[in-house]
Amino acid sequence: EAGVAQSPRYKIIEKRQSVAFWCNPISGHATLYWYQQILGQGPKLLIQFQNNGVVDDSQLPKDRFSAERLKGVDSTLKIQPAKLEDSAVYLCASSVDRQRVSYNEQFFGPGTRLTVL
Amino acid sequence: KNQVEQSPQSLIILEGKNCTLQCNYTVSPFSNLRWYKQDTGRGPVSLTIMTFSENTKSNGRYTATLDADTKQSSLHITASQLSDSASYICVVSAQYGGATNKLIFGTGTLLAVQP
Repeated sequence: EAGVAQSPRYKIIEKRQSVAFWCNPISGHATLYWYQQILGQGPKLLIQFQNNGVVDDSQLPKDRFSAERLKGVDSTLKIQPAKLEDSAVYLCASSVDRQRVSYNEQFFGPGTRLTVL
Repeated sequence: KNQVEQSPQSLIILEGKNCTLQCNYTVSPFSNLRWYKQDTGRGPVSLTIMTFSENTKSNGRYTATLDADTKQSSLHITASQLSDSASYICVVSAQYGGATNKLIFGTGTLLAVQP
């Protein structure tokens, strides 16, 4: 079974530039997550999709961050314009979300390391 | 406030030795607790998942314990190997109904295993 795919793996941009990240979840996984992981910290949820609808975007800085999952499969996360504090690893994860189970495991991609200069 | 705290922040041990990582949490309503291993430059990979009724769960040389009364968990690594060098993240899930849940991540313990 193929894992969660992300691209690019690394990106270096200058502040005020725009950047986009792409994620392809595991086939059949209805739920997709974008996390921001700053060096030395645990991941922080930015946005959660259930199919192509947004379930939770309470921690997404909506003035500069946007995300979409138009067909309920792939997703893109965009930052426009980037700030220095956006330097982090952006992780994508997906889960099946079966009903009537005690947990739904999230599978993570390798992440995109963003450096804003 | 939902929080997950881990200790120590970092740890250096010699190859072959055992070690124990700690996790304290204040998360409600509690659904389950997970330990993840994150190698440098990679995404987290699940090691164990424990629900409220489970006290211990093993995955090879990794053994996790859960005390739901004191809201503490530990991850014990036996006979450490160089490949165990990674960040270990404790994650507590709060379930608010339905199949979706909210994960609260700890900041991780960075383990370095030296030859």
